[in-house]
Amino acid sequence: DVKVTQSSRYLVKRTGEKVFLECVQDMDHENMFWYRQDPGLGLRLIYFSYDVKMKEKGDIPEGYSVSREKKERFSLILESASTNQTSMYLCASSFKSPGGAWETQYFGPGTRLLVL
Amino acid sequence: SQQGEEDPQALSIQEGENATMNCSYKTSINNLQWYRQNSGRGLVHLILIRSNEREKHSGRLRVTLDTSKKSSSLLITASRAADTASYFCASRRSYNTDKLIFGTGTRLQVFP
Repeated sequence: DVKVTQSSRYLVKRTGEKVFLECVQDMDHENMFWYRQDPGLGLRLIYFSYDVKMKEKGDIPEGYSVSREKKERFSLILESASTNQTSMYLCASSFKSPGGAWETQYFGPGTRLLVL
Repeated sequence: SQQGEEDPQALSIQEGENATMNCSYKTSINNLQWYRQNSGRGLVHLILIRSNEREKHSGRLRVTLDTSKKSSSLLITASRAADTASYFCASRRSYNTDKLIFGTGTRLQVFP
């Protein structure tokens, strides 16, 4: 079974803190994604990585950065956390097209972040 | 902007009834996917339908796709309390990307 794990299920941070969210997948997927999910807004893509050290901005990259030093690990960094970054953060991975079943994304359990 | 928009936003039914959720999208697609999310958890892939397919079944799930109307529906037959979850449709943003765009979801509540 594909497994995508996220470093924390719940996280409480203070405004201005630097926050690291980590995601690890064990399926040798090329693609990895970070989304945030807010009520009424669905999933919004923050960043996408299609290979080691490669990244692409999503719809809402402001205030975030990412790091992909190894294929299995994709980190989301909040440089200076703000209260409007309180949200559910979801990591996902998939094969790069046209590799097998590439269309399907596999999600981690999510990290609920509260910024005070 | 959201490509996929689900309708209704929320749906409450009794166990044993059928649940139908609809999704509309704006641009051309080559496939459309449905995902399920249990409360406070990640999304799980349910089913994928390609643009040259009109209907697809998987267990109690039936998905239809109407590319002329840019819409899809997900039918869950003989629903169970365990089907209580949010359901999202997703499609590729364009042919040359692996990125998906998700709708805002339908929240389904199945009462025992």
